[in-house]
Amino acid sequence: NAGVTQTPKFQVLKTGQSMTLQCAQDMNHNSMYWYRQDPGMGLRLIYYSASEGTTDKGEVPNGYNVSRLNKREFSLRLESAAPSQTSVYFCASSVLGSTDTQYFGPGTRLTVL
Amino acid sequence: QKEVEQNSGPLSVPEGAIASLNCTYSDRGSQSFFWYRQYSGKSPELIMFIYSNGDKEDGRFTAQLNKASQYVSLLIRDSQPSDSATYLCAVPPMDSSYKLIFGSGTRLLVRP
Repeated sequence: NAGVTQTPKFQVLKTGQSMTLQCAQDMNHNSMYWYRQDPGMGLRLIYYSASEGTTDKGEVPNGYNVSRLNKREFSLRLESAAPSQTSVYFCASSVLGSTDTQYFGPGTRLTVL
Repeated sequence: QKEVEQNSGPLSVPEGAIASLNCTYSDRGSQSFFWYRQYSGKSPELIMFIYSNGDKEDGRFTAQLNKASQYVSLLIRDSQPSDSATYLCAVPPMDSSYKLIFGSGTRLLVRP
């Protein structure tokens, strides 16, 4: 099992460009999450999907959109990138809900110039 | 006000010592608590979780809960240089079954 995979690993964007971060899990988990991690800030939840077909906002959703494409895949889209979105983005999944172990992908390091 | 607070460190201990990491939380009704370890440049991985009904020991790791003072501790016995990492405390908020609030993490350095 690959666990949680993310693409790309690194990305550099110019201000105003758009891009989609891809995430997939092969553990048959119901819940999936997108976090960003900035120095000194810890992990902050952007969006989550409790189950296939549902998505909800987390702590810092502004500037992002998500799609739960199917049970395996959960994508994060930046429509118009801003320098404030420079961060490391982690996707995670769990069987069901926040009281279950969350398994994290390797992360995407995004720089917006 | 952040709901989960940790001292950023670094906490430096000699090899073989006990490392004690603390995390305070604001929601008195919190029922479960998670400790994740994150090596530099890597993703977080769960090392321990406890529920509000008691402490837990797993090998060299012990998680303890002090409900009255609203903090949870992670003790690492016989610390090894390989334990050097950032330790993140996480607590589910009472208003959601799906969110997890992370502290900013404590960096631990174990000196050989």
